[in-house]
Amino acid sequence: AQSVTQLGSHVSVSEGALVLLRCNYSSSVPPYLFWYVQYPNQGLQLLLKYTSAATLVKGINGFEAEFKKSETSFHLTKPSAHMSDAAEYFCAVSDQPGTYKYIFGTGTRLKVLA
Amino acid sequence: NAGVTQTPKFRILKIGQSMTLQCTQDMNHNYMYWYRQDPGMGLKLIYYSVGAGITDKGEVPNGYNVSRSTTEDFPLRLELAAPSQTSVYFCASSRSGQGNYGYTFGSGTRLTVV
Repeated sequence: AQSVTQLGSHVSVSEGALVLLRCNYSSSVPPYLFWYVQYPNQGLQLLLKYTSAATLVKGINGFEAEFKKSETSFHLTKPSAHMSDAAEYFCAVSDQPGTYKYIFGTGTRLKVLA
Repeated sequence: NAGVTQTPKFRILKIGQSMTLQCTQDMNHNYMYWYRQDPGMGLKLIYYSVGAGITDKGEVPNGYNVSRSTTEDFPLRLELAAPSQTSVYFCASSRSGQGNYGYTFGSGTRLTVV
């Protein structure tokens, strides 16, 4: 089975600084990869997804992620953090190529400092 | 467009009581899922359904049951509630079984068992 690891359960950045949230996956075949964002007391919202097209994927709210097969990584970035980016972020991978069950990481809580 | 609707939003149960968490979606999605979210643990799949009348166990099904009599509804039943079932429960649906569309999540049910 595939798995996903998010490095850092908590990340703090200053407003205006680069946001980098790390996600590594294990897979013997190219997977589908996703980033979700969860604001306090809300459900998860799809931020962006990689489905074997372009390796650099752009999402909502200025976020993007790059699929790097050689590093088995799918890190999430944003050039300039905003206070409204404070939330928990989850990386997810499809259980098997072409299936509909996802494996979620344990999440990274992003704090943005004024 | 309501998306995925979960009720109730909050509930406190006593040990041994039973309850049903309701989930309904209006997007005509065949695939539906129940996850539980515990701090630092990410999301764990409880049950899922690939269409009306078809359900299957996920990673953590013990203590739960589901049914899927219609495309729209996917209720989760807790029998004999235990403190270990204190969690936030999310229902989700997916447009496709190909694994590349992502999920639409409900806003969650926060359950406390005392």
